[in-house]
Amino acid sequence: SQQGEEDPQALSIQEGENATMNCSYKTSINNLQWYRQNSGRGLVHLILIRSNEREKHSGRLRVTLDTSKKSSSLLITASRAADTASYFCATDQAGTALIFGKGTTLSVSS
Amino acid sequence: DTAVSQTPKYLVTQMGNDKSIKCEQNLGHDTMYWYKQDSKKFLKIMFSYNNKELIINETVPNRFSPKSPDKAHLNLHINSLELGDSAVYFCASSPTGDGNQPQHFGDGTRLSIL
Repeated sequence: SQQGEEDPQALSIQEGENATMNCSYKTSINNLQWYRQNSGRGLVHLILIRSNEREKHSGRLRVTLDTSKKSSSLLITASRAADTASYFCATDQAGTALIFGKGTTLSVSS
Repeated sequence: DTAVSQTPKYLVTQMGNDKSIKCEQNLGHDTMYWYKQDSKKFLKIMFSYNNKELIINETVPNRFSPKSPDKAHLNLHINSLELGDSAVYFCASSPTGDGNQPQHFGDGTRLSIL
């Protein structure tokens, strides 16, 4: 079944650096969403980008979507220790469920 | 002012037992979900209810039975628990169930089977 795949699986950076995570998916979508999960907590919605959009910003987050390549990227600029978390992309499937990828674990050290 | 709340947060029990997890949302959303997250953090949809009606029922053993008494509540009952049921179970809700809206998650129920 359709599923997002994040890359890399793990990413370690220093505070102040930028972090880029990628997501690839298999079939046509209506939208793609990015979520953050802190250790021991539930997922928190970050950004939703629709299939007719190419780029979206929210604070230090920038999401791009390339439907021709079936891929998306999440850029976090000027990372902080508090950004340490797992990041998941999710795509809609047949207008019902969200299918989540396996996530990228980001570690930001001070 | 918790949006999606699950109880209990931790559940440790023995194989063969029956247990329930409760979920409530105060966001006024029409759709609620149950997800299972395994030890590798892979998150998989189990069930989805829209206004008390079952919409999604993925390939889940029939030992798992969801119940939605009203659109603000979605409970999960698990019979005859097995070792492989150990995981974190997340409840979520969204305004609609068409996949075009953000989902709001609870903090999960960590189920450990001894």
